[in-house]
Amino acid sequence: KAGVTQTPRYLIKTRGQQVTLSCSPISGHRSVSWYQQTPGQGLQFLFEYFSETQRNKGNFPGRFSGRQFSNSRSEMNVSTLELGDSALYLCASSLDARQGYGELFFGEGSRLTVL
Amino acid sequence: KNEVEQSPQNLTAQEGEFITINCSYSVGISALHWLQQHPGGGIVSLFMLSSGKKKHGRLIATINIQEKHSSLHITASHPRDSAVYICAVITGTASKLTFGTGTRLQVTL
Repeated sequence: KAGVTQTPRYLIKTRGQQVTLSCSPISGHRSVSWYQQTPGQGLQFLFEYFSETQRNKGNFPGRFSGRQFSNSRSEMNVSTLELGDSALYLCASSLDARQGYGELFFGEGSRLTVL
Repeated sequence: KNEVEQSPQNLTAQEGEFITINCSYSVGISALHWLQQHPGGGIVSLFMLSSGKKKHGRLIATINIQEKHSSLHITASHPRDSAVYICAVITGTASKLTFGTGTRLQVTL
């Protein structure tokens, strides 16, 4: 069974550009959540999608957005990149969403560097 | 003050030692995750628990909801256990996680 796949794994952008990251969950998983990890702030919750609907959102500016498609694949977008957006972006998928949470399976992450 | 506090921040142990990592939280939670992150970034979920105790191999996780405290124990530690261990709590509905700052564990021969 394939795990959670994130693309691209590494990317370099310049300030002001935008970036789109992709996450393909484990087959059958309907919940996808996104996280940002930086040395200074650690891991922080960005947002969570379930059945194409954003169910929860963390405390990030509107430049951070996401969506989920009917096949449960998810994308997140960051517009007008800032140096502080350099981070490892992780996504996780979950099967049991009836409780609103379940065991999480993480991807390897997309490492974004903003110059 | 962070909503989720972990201790210790860093831990060095010799192979075979019994290890305990603690997590305290100040908010009401639905459940708690223990995560393991190896160098390079990959994160593995070790446990998700909302009450009591769970065991998987040499790992044991406990939670006391009334005291708002959880512990992760590693018995007979091994160098391959060297990683960062992160506790994360689920508050409210859905999968909104709040993370602790992590405990960096190094197990030496």
